[in-house]
Amino acid sequence: SQQGEEDPQALSIQEGENATMNCSYKTSINNLQWYRQNSGRGLVHLILIRSNEREKHSGRLRVTLDTSKKSSSLLITASRAADTASYFCATDASYNTDKLIFGTGTRLQVFP
Amino acid sequence: AAGVIQSPRHLIKEKRETATLKCYPIPRHDTVYWYQQGPGQDPQFLISFYEKMQSDKGSIPDRFSAQQFSDYHSELNMSSLELGDSALYFCASSLLTRGENTEAFFGQGTRLTVV
Repeated sequence: SQQGEEDPQALSIQEGENATMNCSYKTSINNLQWYRQNSGRGLVHLILIRSNEREKHSGRLRVTLDTSKKSSSLLITASRAADTASYFCATDASYNTDKLIFGTGTRLQVFP
Repeated sequence: AAGVIQSPRHLIKEKRETATLKCYPIPRHDTVYWYQQGPGQDPQFLISFYEKMQSDKGSIPDRFSAQQFSDYHSELNMSSLELGDSALYFCASSLLTRGENTEAFFGQGTRLTVV
């Protein structure tokens, strides 16, 4: 079963608006990461938040983590058309795994 | 800076044929992952290597095998190909830090089409 489930599955907004994507997971984690993927291309790492962190910022990105609810959110502020992509969360489970488990992804469309 | 290199970028094979996908990780990275991504799907973990030893395995068919060589490049071998194997195959590499899987760097993927 999926470690990460994301919602919404698709999101359409206008340039300048904020976009919020959510991710839920099932097991204890070491960290949670967010990746971006342009259509048919490789995934690009955006930000990593550790299990003992609650919030992290990187440029226009803000990530929160609630380990009690096993959930995370990614906020993109002042969105741009170039932000159009799919966004995935990935978890590094704490039970001695050697893999990142990806969620189902949110497809973000930003209209100019 | 050097990124993860995958070859070939595109591959067309017929059913029941064999395919070999190659991955060259970022130098000094100790972990390699392989993922399969179907159209509109999330990346599904196949297999990983740490310091050239297989470290974890996902839902990888018995028809698939992988290895990592002494120069750290990795190959994913797929035999008896089926139509359902058509997908994007990604390789990623990272540096295991304090026992955590940290930022993974992905290659551009190999698009495999089985006809």
